[in-house]
Amino acid sequence: DVKVTQSSRYLVKRTGEKVFLECVQDMDHENMFWYRQDPGLGLRLIYFSYDVKMKEKGDIPEGYSVSREKKERFSLILESASTNQTSMYLCASSLVGRWTEAFFGQGTRLTVV
Amino acid sequence: DQQVKQNSPSLSVQEGRISILNCDYTNSMFDYFLWYKKYPAEGPTFLISISSIKDKNEDGRFTVFLNKSAKHLSLHIVPSQPGDSAVYFCAALGETSGSRLTFGEGTQLTVNP
Repeated sequence: DVKVTQSSRYLVKRTGEKVFLECVQDMDHENMFWYRQDPGLGLRLIYFSYDVKMKEKGDIPEGYSVSREKKERFSLILESASTNQTSMYLCASSLVGRWTEAFFGQGTRLTVV
Repeated sequence: DQQVKQNSPSLSVQEGRISILNCDYTNSMFDYFLWYKKYPAEGPTFLISISSIKDKNEDGRFTVFLNKSAKHLSLHIVPSQPGDSAVYFCAALGETSGSRLTFGEGTQLTVNP
């Protein structure tokens, strides 16, 4: 069974704080993704990585950065948290390939106050 | 520009009846489609998929239909059960998107006992 684990289920942070969200997968997947889920907007891609130290911007990268120093770990960084970054954050991983599903972590509910 | 759209935010059906969830897409380069199911405070889980070379794929109570000419797909759940109550996301992959899933907004399905 693929396991994607996010370090926190719930986080509350203050405006202006630097926030780290961690994600680890145990299936040796090349691809890793960070999405955020907001009501009525579905899942929107923030960043993804297709290899160690490689990253590409998704649809909404502003205010975020990422780090992938090891294949199994993908971190999302909010440089200076703002209230409009209050959301559910979802990490996912997948194999390289055209027709392959992504496996998701349990999500981190981040509240910025 | 929303390339994958789920126009019904919610759907309510009686236990034992059929649930039909719909999804439309605009990008003709999409060639692989997936449905995910998401419970509150959990990550999405993969449900069923279909490639563009097929028009139907069935897995137990779940069937996905693809109409390429209309750029429309639907998920049928028969019979519906209360445990099916969740948010369902449609997602798509294509040659130009690589491994990046593009998601719809989601449909909240409620199955009433």
